[in-house]
Amino acid sequence: EAGVAQSPRYKIIEKRQSVAFWCNPISGHATLYWYQQILGQGPKLLIQFQNNGVVDDSQLPKDRFSAERLKGVDSTLKIQPAKLEDSAVYLCASSPITGASNQPQHFGDGTRLSIL
Amino acid sequence: AQTVTQSQPEMSVQEAETVTLSCTYDTSESDYYLFWYKQPPSRQMILVIRQEAYKQQNATENRFSVNFQKAAKSFSLKISDSQLGDAAMYFCAYLRINFGNEKLTFGTGTRLTIIP
Repeated sequence: EAGVAQSPRYKIIEKRQSVAFWCNPISGHATLYWYQQILGQGPKLLIQFQNNGVVDDSQLPKDRFSAERLKGVDSTLKIQPAKLEDSAVYLCASSPITGASNQPQHFGDGTRLSIL
Repeated sequence: AQTVTQSQPEMSVQEAETVTLSCTYDTSESDYYLFWYKQPPSRQMILVIRQEAYKQQNATENRFSVNFQKAAKSFSLKISDSQLGDAAMYFCAYLRINFGNEKLTFGTGTRLTIIP
């Protein structure tokens, strides 16, 4: 099966600019996750979708970050305006359904964001 | 809130030898899942092994095995017969079981180097 697809792979922008990342989960996976992985740290969950509804966005900085998952498939994560501390790898993951703990999350390759 | 601690930022092992990576976690839950994920340089995170907290038997996947000590809240990963392809960041992760809102919490990772 095809894996989780993310684009772009790399992005360099200046602070205060905006940026968007795209994720296409594995076909049929109802749950989609966005993580932020700062250099030297483990991934931190930003937002979790179940189909097209938000399950958990408690750690999403909502003043500058937004995410949507229209039609319950693809998802877009946006940062506007970007700050220097947003430099990180943004990982997208998906799993078949939430509530099925024996179904692990599958990760994409991530988007490496550098803020100048 | 659950926390996951990996106290070894870096480890190295001679090829064909055995290495153990440490992980401790903090939780008040009695049922949960624990995972080890592997993240090779510039490549996607993949699942290595998982352990269900209600199972006393330690999980094993080929050369990878865990030592799960529930009372001590310890979850170490043993890699036997280390191979060059095992070089990567290894993340320990805890999954809270909460139907409709399962959240994966990662440790800070251990960078494993394999010495030829």
